[in-house]
Amino acid sequence: GAVVSQHPSWVICKSGTSVKIECRSLDFQATTMFWYRQFPKQSLMLMATSNEGSKATYEQGVEKDKFLINHASLTLSTLTVTSAHPEDSSFYICSAGIRSTYGYTFGSGTRLTVV
Amino acid sequence: AQKITQTQPGMFVQEKEAVTLDCTYDTSDQSYGLFWYKQPSSGEMIFLIYQGSYDEQNATEGRYSLNFQKARKSANLVISASQLGDSAMYFCAMREGRAGNNRKLIWGLGTSLAVNP
Repeated sequence: GAVVSQHPSWVICKSGTSVKIECRSLDFQATTMFWYRQFPKQSLMLMATSNEGSKATYEQGVEKDKFLINHASLTLSTLTVTSAHPEDSSFYICSAGIRSTYGYTFGSGTRLTVV
Repeated sequence: AQKITQTQPGMFVQEKEAVTLDCTYDTSDQSYGLFWYKQPSSGEMIFLIYQGSYDEQNATEGRYSLNFQKARKSANLVISASQLGDSAMYFCAMREGRAGNNRKLIWGLGTSLAVNP
């Protein structure tokens, strides 16, 4: 149980376009979703925390107008990278808080390449 | 300030041997949770083991055990009988406060483990 489905698993887009990444909780209600960015061979960097029905809380240094997060329902949270540039190329992964000892469940990640 | 330190960027171990991955943490909270995750090259985050700050026994999950030394603020992961499939990045993470689904995790920089045949 407690599965988060993340799509797409990889995407290539042209510079200047926008890309939407979706995370769906399949068998539970995700009241909180965490969005991370990860560069190769580095740790996860928290970008923002979203709670269903309210505005996301962004970490310091993360551009909220560039990385739009929507958590309109208990089963869907989205991250939109607007006007993507090559420096936005990265691995993006979502994680939902779950009410269990394990605490968190992760999506499978999205590899974004901006050309 | 809360912090997770993993001092081993890379580790090698021979297949079938045990290996210890180090993790120290810093927090002023009395209640917290410590996690270890495995991330293979595919990128998925695989939960390995959890230790709560009030748990008196060290956590164990199959070949994984957590050597929890509260006074030293360390939470080392021990992998017994290493397998080739254990080659991956390993992250230590901490949640401050009691279990709840709105607490963010603090992450270490990770340790890259390579298991040699």
